Amino acid sequence: AQSVTQPDIHITVSEGASLELRCNYSYGATPYLFWYVQSPGQGLQLLLKYFSGDTLVQGIKGFEAEFKRSQSSFNLRKPSVHWSDAAEYFCAVGDYDYKLSFGAGTTVTVRA
Amino acid sequence: GAGVSQSPSNKVTEKGKDVELRCDPISGHTALYWYRQSLGQGLEFLIYFQGNSAPDKSGLPSDRFSAERTGGSVSTLTIQRTQQEDSAVYLCASSLAEDTQYFGPGTRLTVL
Repeated sequence: AQSVTQPDIHITVSEGASLELRCNYSYGATPYLFWYVQSPGQGLQLLLKYFSGDTLVQGIKGFEAEFKRSQSSFNLRKPSVHWSDAAEYFCAVGDYDYKLSFGAGTTVTVRA
Repeated sequence: GAGVSQSPSNKVTEKGKDVELRCDPISGHTALYWYRQSLGQGLEFLIYFQGNSAPDKSGLPSDRFSAERTGGSVSTLTIQRTQQEDSAVYLCASSLAEDTQYFGPGTRLTVL
């Protein structure tokens, strides 16, 4: 069965600084990989996804993620964070049977 | 509508009562999913509907949980004889076949 690990429960970053959120997955074949963001009291918004092809994926709000098969990772990055990026971020993996398995989430705090 | 909608946004009920949660998927989306988000368990898959196929109920935690999807559109998740451990945010998502899932804002259920 697939699983996702997000090693960092909470990250604090200064506004304007770079951000990297880690995600490791366990899956036998090439997975479908997603990053979602959840603001307080809101549902999940898709940031980006990887199905195949180019391993560097661009998403909304200036985020990008890189799929590294050798490391079973799909880390999310943003070069310069804004206060509005404070939220909880979830990495998810899905396969042919469509069910998503989510990591535990990483809460990002942005300090001025 | 433009996105997935869910109602009610909040539901408070007494232990032992039945509750119904509603999901309106994005128009034209053939697949519909229910997930549960709780403090202890994170985001968990509950059930999946795809077209006229039999639903995948493998994630339902007990036989107190059931779901229907009428006319290939609106879905209702029913929890019978609610327990305090059922308190969570219930999220609905929809997609075109097995593609990216788009989530609704969720229903926060509190069982007293």
